Amino acid sequence: NAGVTQTPKFQVLKTGQSMTLQCAQDMNHNSMYWYRQDPGMGLRLIYYSASEGTTDKGEVPNGYNVSRLNKREFSLRLESAAPSQTSVYFCASSLSGGNGYTFGSGTRLTVV
Amino acid sequence: GQQLNQSPQSMFIQEGEDVSMNCTSSSIFNTWLWYKQDPGEGPVLLIALYKAGELTSNGRLTAQFGITRKDSFLNISASIPSDVGIYFCAGQLYGGSQGNLIFGKGTKLSVKP
Repeated sequence: NAGVTQTPKFQVLKTGQSMTLQCAQDMNHNSMYWYRQDPGMGLRLIYYSASEGTTDKGEVPNGYNVSRLNKREFSLRLESAAPSQTSVYFCASSLSGGNGYTFGSGTRLTVV
Repeated sequence: GQQLNQSPQSMFIQEGEDVSMNCTSSSIFNTWLWYKQDPGEGPVLLIALYKAGELTSNGRLTAQFGITRKDSFLNISASIPSDVGIYFCAGQLYGGSQGNLIFGKGTKLSVKP
């Protein structure tokens, strides 16, 4: 009964370092999403995967890559972290795009 | 990109008061959703609306899908301290791609005990 699980919960990176944020859902959902949340900016879509084997860019994809590893897992990679990527990152999933999303509890990333 | 205008940005209210917030857009939406986010957590779905004019309640919460399909409101009756948090509206654009739920910037609700 975990829903959407994100790891890690907190991370500090130095500029230029790389890392992968992990997300897994156990609800047999087809669609998965990565958002970033910044103060006063709401939630902005980075990438999404409508179904296993497909990925598409969202509103703010620059500096990120994603992999839909299987139906359960959708990872977000920062190849060369920049201070502008300091944010809280949320993974979400849904049965299909029009249904409500289930969100993970977030990864708080700081790039120094 | 497409925008949802959510207002107010923040509210301070007395416990027991009713609260109202809304989202508007210049675009037509198929779906309106309302989420609440507690500190340190991800947003949690409160109410989903799928038809123009639809009025749906969830306990003390009531939301409506505007008849023009360009707006939605959320009311909270008799607010209590645990209502504190950030409330987000979200909508799926008519004719939009499957991945695009667009979120408002949130209404931060603070309750004076």
